[in-house]
Amino acid sequence: DAGVTQSPTHLIKTRGQQVTLRCSPISGHKSVSWYQQVLGQGPQFIFQYYEKEERGRGNFPDRFSARQFPNYSSELNVNALLLGDSALYLCASSTEVQGAPGANVLTFGAGSRLTVL
Amino acid sequence: SQQGEEDPQALSIQEGENATMNCSYKTSINNLQWYRQNSGRGLVHLILIRSNEREKHSGRLRVTLDTSKKSSSLLITASRAADTASYFCATDWNGGYQKVTFGTGTKLQVIP
Repeated sequence: DAGVTQSPTHLIKTRGQQVTLRCSPISGHKSVSWYQQVLGQGPQFIFQYYEKEERGRGNFPDRFSARQFPNYSSELNVNALLLGDSALYLCASSTEVQGAPGANVLTFGAGSRLTVL
Repeated sequence: SQQGEEDPQALSIQEGENATMNCSYKTSINNLQWYRQNSGRGLVHLILIRSNEREKHSGRLRVTLDTSKKSSSLLITASRAADTASYFCATDWNGGYQKVTFGTGTKLQVIP
């Protein structure tokens, strides 16, 4: 069974450009979350989607947007890129843990490493 | 902003020794989880402890939770070189389909 897949794995953009990152969740997982991880820091929550609806949003500017499709895959878009957007962008899919209702155990993809020059 | 902070930031031990990492968080939680990350790759879930539990074991892992002090610890016994990684605690205070928030991480190095 395939895990969470993300594309592209690496990309280089220049300031002001736009980027779209893609994520396919584990089969049967209806929730997708996006995280930004700057080198040396913990992942920072950007968005969570469940059944195509936004369920949570982190403290990121409106330049960041996302959507979830009927097949539960997701895209993260970042407009007007800044140097500070350089990071590893992680996608995770999730489902409830048996016996722990509401627990959001995440299965992560390998990430998309974005470099902004 | 990070919900949790891990302590220490970095830890270096010899193979076979035990490693203890601590996590402090800010708000009330429903569940606390620990994840591992190898060298800039995706994170891997290790263990989940619910807010009404105080201790949990999984193989060589032991997790404790003290909700009165808003803190948790992860103990890895009989460490191996393959345990070298960064370890993060994560909290899920709204439960359901709300966000999971990660701490700052402890970088563990196990020397063979």
